[in-house]
Amino acid sequence: ILNVEQSPQSLHVQEGDSTNFTCSFPSSNFYALHWYRWETAKSPEALFVMTLNGDEKKKGRISATLNTKEGYSYLYIKGSQPEDSATYLCASAQGAQKLVFGQGTRLTINP
Amino acid sequence: EADIYQTPRYLVIGTGKKITLECSQTMGHDKMYWYQQDPGMELHLIHYSYGVNSTEKGDLSSESTVSRIRTEHFPLTLESARPSHTSQYLCASSESGTTYNEQFFGPGTRLTVL
Repeated sequence: ILNVEQSPQSLHVQEGDSTNFTCSFPSSNFYALHWYRWETAKSPEALFVMTLNGDEKKKGRISATLNTKEGYSYLYIKGSQPEDSATYLCASAQGAQKLVFGQGTRLTINP
Repeated sequence: EADIYQTPRYLVIGTGKKITLECSQTMGHDKMYWYQQDPGMELHLIHYSYGVNSTEKGDLSSESTVSRIRTEHFPLTLESARPSHTSQYLCASSESGTTYNEQFFGPGTRLTVL
């Protein structure tokens, strides 16, 4: 089983500030890296699927980068807003079949 | 928005009761999954299915059982609930033939066993 780790576990950020957090995964046998946003009492929502070393993806104020050689991905949020408060999950794909999740980063935006 | 549903959303039940957590999806996905998450911990895969009449155990051992009689339906059953089963259970589905296994999640069932 892969070991996927996310840091920090929780983060408090002032509204308007930018922030970032990390997902680390084993670089051997890399297949794909998924980012999800999970708001309280809602379903986890897919943000990005990243596959190539050096990949950069962007969705509004949220972006992500991928380094498959060293086994990490960063998620960035620019100009945080209260609606960005959520738990952000990353998951590494074991082949095309199963996902192994990190424990998530719980982000709270303070108004 | 993904069309995957779970009921009940919250369940508080006594020890020894039999429970079934329901999961349905309207996307026609062949693959379905059950994850268990304890507070502050990772989602752990406990069961998955690649189609009707196909079920497999996941990476985390679980006393629950699943069935897949219809494509859209993947219920999870605990024959005799215990306090150690208290957790959040999430159901997910994905389409066969996709390269990177993007999974769509339901909102989860939060189970408390007294």
